[in-house]
Amino acid sequence: QITLRESGPTLVKPTQTLTLTCTFSGFSLSSSGVGVGWIRQPPGKALEWLGLIYWDDDKRYSSSLKSRLTITKDTSKDQVVLTLTNVAPVDTATYYCAHRNMGDAFDVWGQGTMVTVSS
Amino acid sequence: DIQLTQSPSSLAASVGDRVTITCRASQTVSVYLHWYQQKPGRAPKLLIYAASTLQTGVPSRFSGSGSGTDFTLTIRSLQPEDFASYFCQQTYSASSFGQGTQVEIK
Repeated sequence: QITLRESGPTLVKPTQTLTLTCTFSGFSLSSSGVGVGWIRQPPGKALEWLGLIYWDDDKRYSSSLKSRLTITKDTSKDQVVLTLTNVAPVDTATYYCAHRNMGDAFDVWGQGTMVTVSS
Repeated sequence: DIQLTQSPSSLAASVGDRVTITCRASQTVSVYLHWYQQKPGRAPKLLIYAASTLQTGVPSRFSGSGSGTDFTLTIRSLQPEDFASYFCQQTYSASSFGQGTQVEIK
């Protein structure tokens, strides 16, 4: 059974760096074809794709966030880490990590973690 | 970047109705188009991937069709548990989501 869980701060000040960790089980991020993505959703708004990391360490980022966003993996800990620099109130959202299936969709999602950016 | 436009943004329907939601891409996404259902306070749930493949465990009243730029999600006979928001996602070029369609009770 695949599970994912996001963790990190609930409140971050403007201009600071946000670091979120996705801890997963039930699959290995060193297996061919596997990927983990990050998605966020501001309150009452649509989903926004942030980025994806693949088993071979290839990464894809949203063009609008590319300059501020980094996604890394620690295969030995079964974790994926999202780092977003210079945050602003517009980055307030629920952040989700999700498992990419072989059909290239996100078939299992974490429960999400709400992050508020405010001074 | 590929933009996805869903229509309608919201709709009101009754139990038993046939519901159709469309998703149009600003350029071709081949069949790299997926559909999700989301209920308030919950993470999205995958319904359909690769335009028309039903995710394991999803009721057969859900179906997807389309290729290229135009796609459709159909709910054959709306059930009480189907009142939710629905999002399309493309993974042809990086990825992006549509703005969502909220299905409400009439």
